[in-house]
Amino acid sequence: RKEVEQDPGPFNVPEGATVAFNCTYSNSASQSFFWYRQDCRKEPKLLMSVYSSGNEDGRFTAQLNRASQYISLLIRDSKLSDSATYLCVVNRPIYNQGGKLIFGQGTELSVKP
Amino acid sequence: EAGVTQSPTHLIKTRGQQATLRCSPISGHTSVYWYQQALGLGLQFLLWYDEGEERNRGNFPPRFSGRQFPNYSSELNVNALELEDSALYLCASSFRGGDEKLFFGSGTQLSVL
Repeated sequence: RKEVEQDPGPFNVPEGATVAFNCTYSNSASQSFFWYRQDCRKEPKLLMSVYSSGNEDGRFTAQLNRASQYISLLIRDSKLSDSATYLCVVNRPIYNQGGKLIFGQGTELSVKP
Repeated sequence: EAGVTQSPTHLIKTRGQQATLRCSPISGHTSVYWYQQALGLGLQFLLWYDEGEERNRGNFPPRFSGRQFPNYSSELNVNALELEDSALYLCASSFRGGDEKLFFGSGTQLSVL
């Protein structure tokens, strides 16, 4: 089983749609969670951190369910510019070393006019 | 403020040769991470350097190696290149070891012929 698993893509949605991405992780000791965005063959960029209480940044809402080891990202009112690959990222704790980030395979989103 | 810079942008080598990739972190960042992203695949963790020392490495053979210099810049060396080493190599930096907000460079596209 992969450490971080994401919904297979691609997601093709019309402008204005609401789309949700899901991600599961296997290491129950993981403490930090993030969503990164990667445009085609460019570098990933941090979209948002994911907190236990859930957090929102404009049209983007991230949720964490520790019991189910599940993370989600909701995008409301999709824009053409939201087209990208969304990467679920989870920290793998390493004793006395802070840990390292494990990236999911990514889910591709394509927003159409 | 300059971001993470990587050089070269593209590198073409033949099987059996050696490749050297370079990375300069954001000023003030002490940690440098290397990731491999093969076409259609997710980011695979290669190496983590912090304060000049290797802190962790991923599941890659020993022919993948690197170092971090006193100015915190880093070099990734790949010896005895194989066709499957063709990938986008991404470098990222963070403010300190274990700080999980990574800032990525635009990568080096390595092609092995």
